[in-house]
Amino acid sequence: DAGITQSPRHKVTETGTPVTLRCHQTENHRYMYWYRQDPGHGLRLIHYSYGVKDTDKGEVSDGYSVSRSKTEDFLLTLESATSSQTSVYFCASGAITDTQYFGPGTRLTVL
Amino acid sequence: GENVEQHPSTLSVQEGDSAVIKCTYSDSASNYFPWYKQELGKGPQLIIDIRSNVGEKKDQRIAVTLNKTAKHFSLHITETQPEDSAVYFCAASNSKEKLTFGTGTRLTIIP
Repeated sequence: DAGITQSPRHKVTETGTPVTLRCHQTENHRYMYWYRQDPGHGLRLIHYSYGVKDTDKGEVSDGYSVSRSKTEDFLLTLESATSSQTSVYFCASGAITDTQYFGPGTRLTVL
Repeated sequence: GENVEQHPSTLSVQEGDSAVIKCTYSDSASNYFPWYKQELGKGPQLIIDIRSNVGEKKDQRIAVTLNKTAKHFSLHITETQPEDSAVYFCAASNSKEKLTFGTGTRLTIIP
């Protein structure tokens, strides 16, 4: 295991509320990623980070923002949650750009 | 961008038989091909990967083959066991961009 934890593991929230998911890794990995997993779509990249304060958008970034103030922490924020953002969210990290190790996931339900 | 197709979407095999999952990719610049195993309620786990400078890689009962000319790669599991039941994802990367995942194969091992 790459020593990645995610919190919370489960969350139920209401439409329009902000939500922040946290990813913490203990491997001193440079690269960190946020994905969402939905049936029929596999894993889709939301945002990624290639260093502290260095982030970029993935293929499904609309409605999401991220921050990375420390190497070990990568936060994903849903600015105003919508029902279409109900999903399972996975964080991953890696020392190089392609080899990635995943966390246990956060199941988010937006009512 | 890269497009990865994965087949079949579901696969059932008798315990002890072999299982093969196939993926094709579109970007000829892709050079890294990992396979992930995801058990129910858990995050994807990297089980084997291959880079484009080799054609085959084995790790005990698991092997991955790569055909760069045809742009396809496959996961082979021999002597399947009940604990091999899971969803398997392939992915591709050109090491400069992000991983692009296939949509997954649900493998069921029949005792």
